[in-house]
Amino acid sequence: GENVEQHPSTLSVQEGDSAVIKCTYSDSASNYFPWYKQELGKRPQLIIDIRSNVGEKKDQRIAVTLNKTAKHFSLHITETQPEDSAVYFCAASKRSNDYKLSFGAGTTVTVRA
Amino acid sequence: DAGITQSPRHKVTETGTPVTLRCHQTENHRYMYWYRQDPGHGLRLIHYSYGVKDTDKGEVSDGYSVSRSKTEDFLLTLESATSSQTSVYFCAISEGLTAQETQYFGPGTRLLVL
Repeated sequence: GENVEQHPSTLSVQEGDSAVIKCTYSDSASNYFPWYKQELGKRPQLIIDIRSNVGEKKDQRIAVTLNKTAKHFSLHITETQPEDSAVYFCAASKRSNDYKLSFGAGTTVTVRA
Repeated sequence: DAGITQSPRHKVTETGTPVTLRCHQTENHRYMYWYRQDPGHGLRLIHYSYGVKDTDKGEVSDGYSVSRSKTEDFLLTLESATSSQTSVYFCAISEGLTAQETQYFGPGTRLLVL
């Protein structure tokens, strides 16, 4: 099955700086890559996603890049703010598998004021 | 919140007892999923359903069973709870009548098995 690895497991950044989280996947057939943000005690919330026919996608301060050849994708958060502090999960799925999600282990991001 | 509720939200039980968690959705979505969340593992798929009475296993299905007798409810049962099943359980749906990419999660159920 699909194996998704996520790094780093923890990330501390100064407010206003950028944060980057990287994920690698093993199944070259995977074609959908969402990112979820989970605040303490809350449910995971989708923040951005990318499909395999796109190399980059941006939504305000967050962006995701995908390198299909290397089988990795990254989340970029610019101008970090205290409310960006949360756990972030990457995931991968494919249509032929009914889009069942395989998740990375998560990255705890702390934004220091 | 995609109209997803989970019950109970918190439960404490003893080893060896059966436990059933309920996921309820109000919008007639066909696909429903059960995940468990544990530190260091992210979320892992237990079982999923692609319609009434249609279910399939995920990567960590041992010790769990599911049932879906009507569209709106997807039940997860721990036949004989063990301490290793202490976890946070999330239900998810994907919208519509065919498999869709985006999944939305319910509020979660915290289960403690003593």
